[in-house]
Amino acid sequence: KAGVTQTPRYLIKTRGQQVTLSCSPISGHRSVSWYQQTPGQGLQFLFEYFSETQRNKGNFPGRFSGRQFSNSRSEMNVSTLELGDSALYLCASSTDSGRRAFFGQGTRLTVV
Amino acid sequence: GQQLNQSPQSMFIQEGEDVSMNCTSSSIFNTWLWYKQDPGEGPVLLIALYKAGELTSNGRLTAQFGITRKDSFLNISASIPSDVGIYFCAGISGTSGSRLTFGEGTQLTVNP
Repeated sequence: KAGVTQTPRYLIKTRGQQVTLSCSPISGHRSVSWYQQTPGQGLQFLFEYFSETQRNKGNFPGRFSGRQFSNSRSEMNVSTLELGDSALYLCASSTDSGRRAFFGQGTRLTVV
Repeated sequence: GQQLNQSPQSMFIQEGEDVSMNCTSSSIFNTWLWYKQDPGEGPVLLIALYKAGELTSNGRLTAQFGITRKDSFLNISASIPSDVGIYFCAGISGTSGSRLTFGEGTQLTVNP
């Protein structure tokens, strides 16, 4: 089985712009979660989607949003980028029970 | 919110030595997961634990789910240079869906 695929791997954006990141989960997995990883805050949960519905949400501002499509692929959008949004964004897919999460390689976002 | 305290923060060991790291929480978790992350990559799932007291091995790695459901440990036996990386514990509570709460990580360095 192919693993979790995230695109792009690297992005450089300017403050104020918006960005969309993509995640294709493992075939058969319907749950997709997003995490932000920074040296100062570690791995922080953004949100989780299951069958196209947001099932869980972390403590991030409304500039961070996501969606999931009928084929379980997910996108994450960040609007009005700030310097502090620079991070490694990780996507994880899980089976319905959600008790084993597999991560993609991440998208490294740099905001300048 | 829930927090996981992972220790030690870093370890410097000689090849062949055994390693032990642990995570503790003030909250109960229903699932404990252990991951390894290499620089610039996503976390790779090493071991998943689902029941209090459960002891599970994966090659030279052994992890246990604490009886109180508030802690877990990971042991690595006979370490080798490729064990170098950051090890994370993560927990899933009964109320969080697939939401993972992560420890701060243990940076492992193995000297040949």
